[in-house]
Amino acid sequence: QQQVKQSPQSLIVQKGGISIINCAYENTAFDYFPWYQQFPGKGPALLIAIRPDVSEKKEGRFTISFNKSAKQFSLHIMDSQPGDSATYFCAASMDFGNEKLTFGTGTRLTIIP
Amino acid sequence: DAGVIQSPRHEVTEMGQEVTLRCKPISGHNSLFWYRQTMMRGLELLIYFNNNVPIDDSGMPEDRFSAKMPNASFSTLKIQPSEPRDSAVYFCASSLDGSRYGYTFGSGTRLTVV
Repeated sequence: QQQVKQSPQSLIVQKGGISIINCAYENTAFDYFPWYQQFPGKGPALLIAIRPDVSEKKEGRFTISFNKSAKQFSLHIMDSQPGDSATYFCAASMDFGNEKLTFGTGTRLTIIP
Repeated sequence: DAGVIQSPRHEVTEMGQEVTLRCKPISGHNSLFWYRQTMMRGLELLIYFNNNVPIDDSGMPEDRFSAKMPNASFSTLKIQPSEPRDSAVYFCASSLDGSRYGYTFGSGTRLTVV
């Protein structure tokens, strides 16, 4: 029940296109949902996060869409750029982020020219 | 702030040897996490500390693994004896009050056990 399932495992998108990564969770006690971005040789870094009182959050080209009833959330990257090529992890936590994160398995995103 | 500092960056050791990984968290952060990353299993939480006290060590694979946090500015993860299946990238992360302000990860230690 603590799992966060992420798909796809890898994704190739053309420059300028929209990249979409999906996550699903089972534990209804989760109430904080961040996305982390990891470049090769580096640790993951917080990209954007959402709480379940809103259905969407946008920061620049990055948008989280959240569907509480379906227990799903997704990351959309608009106008994808080669510099967005990285591994993306969704995660979830309880108690509005006071608890530890449970990470998804990661999606390796490649943006091609 | 220099961020979370991990050492060494790379470690190659022979099976059976003791390995010690080190982490200096961001000053003021009160939570510290040790993760292991592999292709097969992704990011696994090994142990986390809050205010220097171990809160959850359920992810520690077995008794060969141990972690300490003697003060707010230093933590170690020790593997004794090491085995080839321990080969992975080990990350340390720190945060202020759980996860809502985000974890700051170090650059990791790539461990190879031959």
